[in-house]
Amino acid sequence: AQSVTQLDSQVPVFEEAPVELRCNYSSSVSVYLFWYVQYPNQGLQLLLKYLSGSTLVKGINGFEAEFNKSQTSFHLRKPSVHISDTAEYFCAVRKSGYSTLTFGKGTMLLVSP
Amino acid sequence: GAGVSQSPSNKVTEKGKDVELRCDPISGHTALYWYRQSLGQGLEFLIYFQGNSAPDKSGLPSDRFSAERTGGSVSTLTIQRTQQEDSAVYLCASSLEGGGGAETQYFGPGTRLLVL
Repeated sequence: AQSVTQLDSQVPVFEEAPVELRCNYSSSVSVYLFWYVQYPNQGLQLLLKYLSGSTLVKGINGFEAEFNKSQTSFHLRKPSVHISDTAEYFCAVRKSGYSTLTFGKGTMLLVSP
Repeated sequence: GAGVSQSPSNKVTEKGKDVELRCDPISGHTALYWYRQSLGQGLEFLIYFQGNSAPDKSGLPSDRFSAERTGGSVSTLTIQRTQQEDSAVYLCASSLEGGGGAETQYFGPGTRLLVL
């Protein structure tokens, strides 16, 4: 079975600073990788996904992530965060050929002025 | 519709009562998923529908939980004899197709269930 580890439960950062949210996964088969964002009292919104091809994936709101197969990582980055980026971020994996997502426990990004 | 909708948005019930949670997927989406989000457990998969059938219900935590989908559209998640540990946010998602391809799952806003 696959699993997803988000090492940081909370990441505080100042506005306009860069940020990296870490995600590692374990799976013995090919996977698809996703980052979702959840704003307070809302559902999950897809930020970006890696299916195949280029390992650098660009998403919405200026976020990007890099797939590293050798390190089984899919870290999320943004060069300059805004107050409005304050939210919880979930990394998820889906095994090729399977429909269900396995989520990490989430990382709360707290952006302060 | 424009997105996945869920009702009610909030539900407070007493321990031992039954509850029904509803999900309306995006029109034309054949695959529908239920997840549960609770403190300490994160987001957990419950059940997956392809059309009206459920090829994967491995995430249902006990036989008190059941779900159905009718007409390839609306789905209802039923929890019988609710327990306090059932308190969580229940999220529904849909995708154009199932089968483990490259499709994206689109999530609804969730139903926040509180069992007193």
